[in-house]
Amino acid sequence: GAVVSQHPSWVICKSGTSVKIECRSLDFQATTMFWYRQFPKQSLMLMATSNEGSKATYEQGVEKDKFLINHASLTLSTLTVTSAHPEDSSFYICSASTRGVTGELFFGEGSRLTVL
Amino acid sequence: QKEVEQDPGPLSVPEGAIVSLNCTYSNSAFQYFMWYRQYSRKGPELLMYTYSSGNKEDGRFTAQVDKSSKYISLFIRDSQPSDSATYLCAMSSPSGGYQKVTFGTGTKLQVIP
Repeated sequence: GAVVSQHPSWVICKSGTSVKIECRSLDFQATTMFWYRQFPKQSLMLMATSNEGSKATYEQGVEKDKFLINHASLTLSTLTVTSAHPEDSSFYICSASTRGVTGELFFGEGSRLTVL
Repeated sequence: QKEVEQDPGPLSVPEGAIVSLNCTYSNSAFQYFMWYRQYSRKGPELLMYTYSSGNKEDGRFTAQVDKSSKYISLFIRDSQPSDSATYLCAMSSPSGGYQKVTFGTGTKLQVIP
Protein backbone atom coordinates (compact mmCIF):
# COMPACT_ATOMS: atom_id res chain seq x y z
CA GLY A 1 0.00 0.00 0.00
CA ALA A 2 0.88 3.65 -0.27
CA VAL A 3 3.07 5.24 2.40
CA VAL A 4 2.07 8.22 4.50
CA SER A 5 4.62 9.73 6.84
CA GLN A 6 3.68 11.82 9.84
CA HIS A 7 6.03 13.94 11.92
CA PRO A 8 6.67 14.38 14.79
CA SER A 9 5.47 11.12 16.28
CA TRP A 10 5.50 12.51 19.79
CA VAL A 11 5.57 16.07 21.03
CA ILE A 12 5.34 17.62 24.46
CA CYS A 13 4.74 21.34 24.76
CA LYS A 14 3.82 23.96 27.29
CA SER A 15 0.33 25.36 27.50
CA GLY A 16 -0.11 28.37 25.23
CA THR A 17 2.41 27.33 22.59
CA SER A 18 1.61 26.22 19.05
CA VAL A 19 2.54 22.89 17.57
CA LYS A 20 2.78 21.92 13.91
CA ILE A 21 2.30 18.36 12.68
CA GLU A 22 3.24 17.36 9.16
CA CYS A 23 1.68 14.68 7.00
CA ARG A 24 3.41 13.60 3.80
CA SER A 25 2.43 11.13 1.12
CA LEU A 26 5.75 9.59 0.12
CA ASP A 27 5.00 7.63 -3.04
CA PHE A 28 1.78 9.07 -4.39
CA GLN A 29 0.00 12.35 -4.88
CA ALA A 30 -2.72 12.89 -2.32
CA THR A 31 -5.44 15.13 -3.63
CA THR A 32 -7.29 14.83 -0.35
CA MET A 33 -5.94 14.48 3.16
CA PHE A 34 -7.87 13.92 6.34
CA TRP A 35 -7.03 14.77 9.92
CA TYR A 36 -8.37 12.66 12.77
CA ARG A 37 -8.19 12.85 16.51
CA GLN A 38 -8.29 9.78 18.70
CA PHE A 39 -8.81 9.70 22.44
CA PRO A 40 -7.80 6.63 24.45
CA LYS A 41 -10.05 3.64 23.83
CA GLN A 42 -12.12 5.61 21.35
CA SER A 43 -12.38 5.56 17.61
CA LEU A 44 -11.02 8.06 15.14
CA MET A 45 -12.97 11.28 14.96
CA LEU A 46 -12.66 13.19 11.71
CA MET A 47 -11.59 16.76 12.36
CA ALA A 48 -11.22 18.16 8.87
CA THR A 49 -10.73 17.37 5.22
CA SER A 50 -8.17 19.23 3.19
CA ASN A 51 -7.87 19.42 -0.56
CA GLU A 52 -4.71 20.63 -2.20
CA GLY A 53 -4.84 24.34 -2.88
CA SER A 54 -8.12 25.06 -1.14
CA LYS A 55 -9.38 25.75 2.36
CA ALA A 56 -9.99 22.84 4.65
CA THR A 57 -13.50 21.70 5.48
CA TYR A 58 -13.96 21.30 9.22
CA GLU A 59 -16.36 18.94 10.94
CA GLN A 60 -18.99 20.34 13.23
CA GLY A 61 -17.58 21.29 16.59
CA VAL A 62 -13.97 21.63 15.43
CA GLU A 63 -12.57 25.13 15.83
CA LYS A 64 -10.90 26.14 12.59
CA ASP A 65 -8.95 28.93 14.27
CA LYS A 66 -7.65 26.47 16.82
CA PHE A 67 -6.66 23.76 14.38
CA LEU A 68 -5.11 25.36 11.33
CA ILE A 69 -4.78 23.09 8.33
CA ASN A 70 -2.73 23.81 5.25
CA HIS A 71 -2.52 21.57 2.19
CA ALA A 72 -0.01 23.46 0.08
CA SER A 73 1.05 20.63 -2.20
CA LEU A 74 -0.09 17.22 -3.38
CA THR A 75 2.27 15.54 -0.93
CA LEU A 76 2.10 17.68 2.20
CA SER A 77 -0.58 18.76 4.65
CA THR A 78 0.08 20.38 8.01
CA LEU A 79 -2.02 20.67 11.15
CA THR A 80 -1.12 23.45 13.58
CA VAL A 81 -2.62 23.35 17.04
CA THR A 82 -2.58 26.98 18.11
CA SER A 83 -2.30 28.10 21.73
CA ALA A 84 -2.44 24.51 22.88
CA HIS A 85 -4.05 23.62 26.20
CA PRO A 86 -3.99 20.37 28.18
CA GLU A 87 -7.40 19.38 26.79
CA ASP A 88 -5.83 19.36 23.32
CA SER A 89 -3.62 16.46 24.37
CA SER A 90 -4.53 13.59 22.10
CA PHE A 91 -3.38 11.31 19.31
CA TYR A 92 -3.62 13.06 15.94
CA ILE A 93 -3.61 10.95 12.80
CA CYS A 94 -3.60 11.99 9.18
CA SER A 95 -4.66 9.96 6.19
CA ALA A 96 -4.50 10.45 2.48
CA SER A 97 -6.61 9.45 -0.46
CA THR A 98 -5.59 9.21 -4.09
CA ARG A 99 -7.63 10.46 -6.99
CA GLY A 100 -9.77 7.72 -8.46
CA VAL A 101 -9.35 5.39 -5.51
CA THR A 102 -12.54 5.94 -3.64
CA GLY A 103 -12.72 5.18 0.04
CA GLU A 104 -9.29 3.62 0.42
CA LEU A 105 -7.31 5.56 2.97
CA PHE A 106 -3.66 5.29 3.91
CA PHE A 107 -2.77 6.42 7.37
CA GLY A 108 0.26 8.03 8.93
CA GLU A 109 1.74 6.65 12.12
CA GLY A 110 0.08 9.29 14.24
CA SER A 111 1.38 12.10 16.44
CA ARG A 112 0.91 12.03 20.18
CA LEU A 113 0.55 15.52 21.60
CA THR A 114 0.94 16.16 25.31
CA VAL A 115 0.30 19.68 26.52
CA LEU A 116 1.62 20.42 29.99
CA GLN B 1 -28.02 5.94 17.24
CA LYS B 2 -24.47 5.83 15.89
CA GLU B 3 -24.02 5.32 12.18
CA VAL B 4 -21.63 2.45 12.84
CA GLU B 5 -21.88 0.13 15.83
CA GLN B 6 -19.01 -2.09 16.90
CA ASP B 7 -18.56 -4.09 20.08
CA PRO B 8 -15.49 -2.67 21.84
CA GLY B 9 -14.57 -5.97 23.44
CA PRO B 10 -12.04 -6.83 24.70
CA LEU B 11 -12.08 -10.21 23.03
CA SER B 12 -9.65 -12.87 24.23
CA VAL B 13 -9.09 -16.06 22.27
CA PRO B 14 -6.51 -18.86 22.38
CA GLU B 15 -3.91 -19.08 19.65
CA GLY B 16 -5.23 -20.93 16.62
CA ALA B 17 -8.87 -19.97 17.20
CA ILE B 18 -11.13 -18.49 14.56
CA VAL B 19 -11.98 -14.89 15.40
CA SER B 20 -15.18 -13.21 14.29
CA LEU B 21 -15.45 -9.42 14.42
CA ASN B 22 -18.63 -7.61 13.46
CA CYS B 23 -20.13 -4.20 12.77
CA THR B 24 -23.60 -3.01 11.99
CA TYR B 25 -24.52 0.23 10.31
CA SER B 26 -27.57 2.32 9.64
CA ASN B 27 -26.59 4.51 6.68
CA SER B 28 -27.71 3.01 3.37
CA ALA B 29 -25.39 5.42 1.53
CA PHE B 30 -22.27 3.54 2.62
CA GLN B 31 -20.59 2.13 -0.48
CA TYR B 32 -17.17 0.88 0.60
CA PHE B 33 -16.38 -1.23 3.62
CA MET B 34 -12.97 -1.55 5.21
CA TRP B 35 -11.27 -3.23 8.11
CA TYR B 36 -8.24 -1.66 9.74
CA ARG B 37 -5.85 -3.05 12.32
CA GLN B 38 -4.36 -0.66 14.83
CA TYR B 39 -1.56 -1.51 17.20
CA SER B 40 -1.17 0.55 20.34
CA ARG B 41 -0.01 4.11 19.62
CA LYS B 42 0.22 3.48 15.89
CA GLY B 43 -1.81 4.59 12.91
CA PRO B 44 -4.41 2.20 11.46
CA GLU B 45 -3.31 -0.28 8.81
CA LEU B 46 -5.71 -1.26 6.05
CA LEU B 47 -6.48 -5.00 6.09
CA MET B 48 -9.47 -5.46 3.82
CA TYR B 49 -11.37 -3.26 1.39
CA THR B 50 -14.65 -4.36 -0.18
CA TYR B 51 -17.44 -2.86 -2.22
CA SER B 52 -20.16 -5.36 -2.85
CA SER B 53 -22.02 -7.85 -0.70
CA GLY B 54 -20.33 -11.21 -0.36
CA ASN B 55 -17.02 -12.55 0.83
CA LYS B 56 -13.46 -11.44 0.13
CA GLU B 57 -10.54 -13.54 1.26
CA ASP B 58 -6.91 -12.55 1.76
CA GLY B 59 -4.72 -15.11 3.47
CA ARG B 60 -6.07 -15.79 6.94
CA PHE B 61 -8.55 -12.92 6.69
CA THR B 62 -12.05 -13.03 5.24
CA ALA B 63 -14.27 -9.99 5.00
CA GLN B 64 -18.00 -10.46 4.63
CA VAL B 65 -20.54 -7.80 3.69
CA ASP B 66 -24.30 -8.17 3.86
CA LYS B 67 -25.81 -4.94 2.61
CA SER B 68 -29.38 -6.15 3.03
CA SER B 69 -28.79 -6.64 6.75
CA LYS B 70 -26.35 -3.72 7.04
CA TYR B 71 -23.84 -6.03 8.65
CA ILE B 72 -20.16 -6.65 8.01
CA SER B 73 -17.76 -9.18 9.49
CA LEU B 74 -14.08 -9.95 9.58
CA PHE B 75 -12.95 -13.50 10.20
CA ILE B 76 -9.40 -14.36 11.21
CA ARG B 77 -8.40 -17.99 10.86
CA ASP B 78 -5.59 -19.63 12.81
CA SER B 79 -5.21 -16.55 14.97
CA GLN B 80 -1.72 -15.65 16.14
CA PRO B 81 -0.45 -13.61 19.11
CA SER B 82 0.73 -11.05 16.56
CA ASP B 83 -2.92 -10.50 15.62
CA SER B 84 -3.47 -8.92 19.03
CA ALA B 85 -4.55 -5.37 18.22
CA THR B 86 -7.61 -3.19 17.91
CA TYR B 87 -9.67 -3.83 14.78
CA LEU B 88 -11.63 -0.96 13.35
CA CYS B 89 -14.41 -1.33 10.84
CA ALA B 90 -14.90 1.61 8.52
CA MET B 91 -17.42 2.56 5.88
CA SER B 92 -17.49 5.31 3.35
CA SER B 93 -20.07 7.27 1.46
CA PRO B 94 -19.72 9.91 -1.26
CA SER B 95 -19.29 13.44 0.00
CA GLY B 96 -18.29 16.38 -2.12
CA GLY B 97 -16.17 14.52 -4.64
CA TYR B 98 -14.49 12.11 -2.27
CA GLN B 99 -15.49 9.31 0.05
CA LYS B 100 -16.12 10.29 3.65
CA VAL B 101 -15.13 7.52 6.02
CA THR B 102 -16.90 6.70 9.27
CA PHE B 103 -15.20 4.41 11.76
CA GLY B 104 -16.51 2.02 14.35
CA THR B 105 -15.16 2.32 17.88
CA GLY B 106 -12.86 -0.66 17.38
CA THR B 107 -12.71 -4.11 18.96
CA LYS B 108 -9.67 -4.94 21.04
CA LEU B 109 -8.48 -8.47 20.34
CA GLN B 110 -6.04 -10.45 22.43
CA VAL B 111 -4.73 -13.78 21.16
CA ILE B 112 -3.28 -15.79 24.01
CA PRO B 113 -0.35 -18.12 23.22
